[in-house]
Amino acid sequence: AAGVIQSPRHLIKEKRETATLKCYPIPRHDTVYWYQQGPGQDPQFLISFYEKMQSDKGSIPDRFSAQQFSDYHSELNMSSLELGDSALYFCASSSGSSFTDTQYFGPGTRLTVL
Amino acid sequence: AQSVSQHNHHVILSEAASLELGCNYSYGGTVNLFWYVQYPGQHLQLLLKYFSGDPLVKGIKGFEAEFIKSKFSFNLRKPSVQWSDTAEYFCAVNSKTGFQKLVFGTGTRLLVSP
Repeated sequence: AAGVIQSPRHLIKEKRETATLKCYPIPRHDTVYWYQQGPGQDPQFLISFYEKMQSDKGSIPDRFSAQQFSDYHSELNMSSLELGDSALYFCASSSGSSFTDTQYFGPGTRLTVL
Repeated sequence: AQSVSQHNHHVILSEAASLELGCNYSYGGTVNLFWYVQYPGQHLQLLLKYFSGDPLVKGIKGFEAEFIKSKFSFNLRKPSVQWSDTAEYFCAVNSKTGFQKLVFGTGTRLLVSP
């Protein structure tokens, strides 16, 4: 079965640079979530989209922005990168905005900021 | 605010031992409950979920969990663990009427020795 695809899988950036992470949801899934997992920590919710509109917002820095496109893929744009942004960034997708929809996670993008 | 606590941060077991990982949540409304597993270097995979109905839910790989509403708990169990169960286990919750984002516990790192 098709899964959530994230690219790139690994990314190395310098401080103050920008990064763009991409997420391709499972086919026919219209809801995308972004989570950040720091080293040794639990995943923290950043932001979500349903039908191309932002549906919820968590602890996402102002330096980060995200959007969902007409084909339902999503991009997380990160600017003025800081050392503390080094983390694993997961995307998850679900079908519909119902609270009983299971979220399926992608393999993550490991971002390292030097 | 909603929160999830996992009592055991590290658990070490021998193969064939029984497993029980504790999970308690704090939220006043009705919730959906999940257990995700993260094998070393991999993404989060859904083990099992509880939405409604029978409070004893069975998941993949022989895992089960019991929802006890009066105790706000959703403990994960497996009668006999295998070396391949070595992983990190996350309990998570979202709300049926409030928040759709997943709120994760801090995770329990399980090491099964052969």
